[in-house]
Amino acid sequence: RKEVEQDPGPFNVPEGATVAFNCTYSNSASQSFFWYRQDCRKEPKLLMSVYSSGNEDGRFTAQLNRASQYISLLIRDSKLSDSATYLCVVNGGYNKLIFGAGTRLAVHP
Amino acid sequence: EAQVTQNPRYLITVTGKKLTVTCSQNMNHEYMSWYRQDPGLGLRQIYYSMNVEVTDKGDVPEGYKVSRKEKRNFPLILESPSPNQTSLYFCASRAGTGAYNEQFFGPGTRLTVL
Repeated sequence: RKEVEQDPGPFNVPEGATVAFNCTYSNSASQSFFWYRQDCRKEPKLLMSVYSSGNEDGRFTAQLNRASQYISLLIRDSKLSDSATYLCVVNGGYNKLIFGAGTRLAVHP
Repeated sequence: EAQVTQNPRYLITVTGKKLTVTCSQNMNHEYMSWYRQDPGLGLRQIYYSMNVEVTDKGDVPEGYKVSRKEKRNFPLILESPSPNQTSLYFCASRAGTGAYNEQFFGPGTRLTVL
């Protein structure tokens, strides 16, 4: 079983749609959690950290469920510019970041 | 501008010909890593360094070497490249050991080994 698992997609959605991604992780001792965004074959960039109480940044909302060991990302009012691959990232201890393989999102007009 | 730089960005080489990919960061970060990214497998850590002269193996270290003689530089060395090392490589850096410290990535090096 992979340490961090994501649905690879692609998720094809129209502009303005709401889309949600989930991610599960296997290590219950994981300390911190993130969503990174990666445009086609470019470097990943931090989208947002995920805190225990859940957090929101504009159109993006992240949730953490430690009991079930999953993380979610909700994108409201999708824009064409949201098209990218979204990487779920877990700090597995000793500051080692473990990356999921990513979920691809394609937003169309 | 705070950044991580890598060179070269693209490299085509032949089996067995030693190569070095340079990585440099200007943020005074202690923690640096090398990753490779392959389709369907995500980013896998090759080596990491907690500080100068402190390096350790990641998940896929075979066939690679690193060094950390200065805080800002963390070169990746392939002594005898093989075709299975064809991949997209990213260098990354992060400040200290805070659980929520952001990790910054270089622009990537696309390596093809023939």
